[in-house]
Amino acid sequence: QSALTQPPSASGSPGQSVTISCTGTSSDVGGYNYVSWYQQHPGKAPKLMIYEVSKRPSGVPDRFSGSKSGNTASLTVSGLQAEDEADYYCSSYAGSNNFVFGTGTKVTVL
Amino acid sequence: EVQLVESGGGLVQPGGSLRLSCAASGFTVSSNYMSWVRQAPGKGLEWVSVIYSGGSTYYADSVKGRFTISRHNSKNTLYLQMNSLRAEDTAVYYCARVIAVAGTANYFDYWGQGTLVTVSS
Repeated sequence: QSALTQPPSASGSPGQSVTISCTGTSSDVGGYNYVSWYQQHPGKAPKLMIYEVSKRPSGVPDRFSGSKSGNTASLTVSGLQAEDEADYYCSSYAGSNNFVFGTGTKVTVL
Repeated sequence: EVQLVESGGGLVQPGGSLRLSCAASGFTVSSNYMSWVRQAPGKGLEWVSVIYSGGSTYYADSVKGRFTISRHNSKNTLYLQMNSLRAEDTAVYYCARVIAVAGTANYFDYWGQGTLVTVSS
């Protein structure tokens, strides 16, 4: 199972928006609405930010939103804040009881 | 409050074995799907294994036949037995609770802090 493809980096100034893509195949991202996104600060455990493509867990700011079109999912962070600077990973169920993660994107707040 | 605490990591020689533990609190391990995810130094996340509430187990191809996931119900603890370890198994290993929808594993909602496994001579 190959990792989902994400851009290595993305950046934006405070208050701006940044969108991260996550490209897979019809066997994972395109085949299921089971795409989730995780935020990871250096030295910390990943934190769930989005599940089932576009749902936000309790406590996650509504500045974070998710979507999907075909084999590509996207995470948008609106109104960037300094604390949003982190690594972000997408994940998808990949069938046959397997999961796959994205390659990860480092978001920098300029 | 849900908490997951991993332990058991350390330095092991190639070909050696190690058993990781993940002690859970705030929920019942045996009633949930549970998973191990690893992260090599400076690299991305890699799914390793999952155990379903019914006891079925599944593995990534990279660890199949070498790693075994299990749980101890009365201790409310998840385990990962790792045998025939290789240098490429060096990583921080996280345990995570998996949320399932209609019996299909969906996403990881709670994660432990991780335990570092280093495979080196």
